[in-house]
Amino acid sequence: QQPVQSPQAVILREGEDAVINCSSSKALYSVHWYRQKHGEAPVFLMILLKGGEQKGHEKISASFNEKKQQSSLYLTASQLSYSGTYFCGTDVSGNTGKLIFGQGTTLQVKP
Amino acid sequence: EPEVTQTPSHQVTQMGQEVILRCVPISNHLYFYWYRQILGQKVEFLVSFYNNEISEKSEIFDDQFSVERPDGSNFTLKIRSTKLEDSAMYFCASSGDRAINQPQHFGDGTRLSIL
Repeated sequence: QQPVQSPQAVILREGEDAVINCSSSKALYSVHWYRQKHGEAPVFLMILLKGGEQKGHEKISASFNEKKQQSSLYLTASQLSYSGTYFCGTDVSGNTGKLIFGQGTTLQVKP
Repeated sequence: EPEVTQTPSHQVTQMGQEVILRCVPISNHLYFYWYRQILGQKVEFLVSFYNNEISEKSEIFDDQFSVERPDGSNFTLKIRSTKLEDSAMYFCASSGDRAINQPQHFGDGTRLSIL
C-alpha cells in the first residue's frame, strides 16, 4: 500500500535538474509532495489532483498519471536550498484526507 | 502566514506513563491529523479528525491512543500507557474546508522520548 519512490538518493551540483518518481499500487485521488529538512517538519510543496489540476510551488513542477498511478516531481536549476528529503503522500481514500507516504528521496545539492 | 503550532517541542516520559501532545491547528481549518515519524523513517498516518469525530485511524492507533478537541482551538493526542516503541516525532497537521484535495500543513512536531 505504501507508494514506492525512486531514486532513494540523489546528489546534484547547483543548477542541475532532478526527477523524483512516486508509484502506487492503488488508485489515487491525489498526490501530495513535501520536502523535509533534517530535524524539521515536512513542508508542503505541491498537490496534484485527478483531472490535472495542480496547486503549489512556483519553481517546482510535477506530473500525475492517474492511469499508471504515478507522479513525478521535477526540480529544475536546483539550488542549495532544495537539499532535503522529498516525500510523496498519496490519498487512496478519497474522503478522510489520510495520506500514505513513500519512504522518501534524499536530495543533496552541492555548490 | 498562519501556521500549526505544537507543544511541547520535546517530551521525555517514563515507560507506562500517560502523555498528552498538544496542537493548535490553523484557525479556519476543519480537518485535523496526527502523523508520526520514527527517526530516519517515513511519515506514518495515525488518525484523521473532523467534526469532533475520528474519520479514519491506522492500525498503529490502538486503544492506547485517543484524540480530542477540548475547545475551539486545541487538538490533542493522548497516549495512555507509553511504550518504548512510541518514541518518535509526532506531527499535527490541518487542512481547510474539505478532507480531500487540500494541502495539509504540518506543525514543527513534538519529539517524544520514552525511557
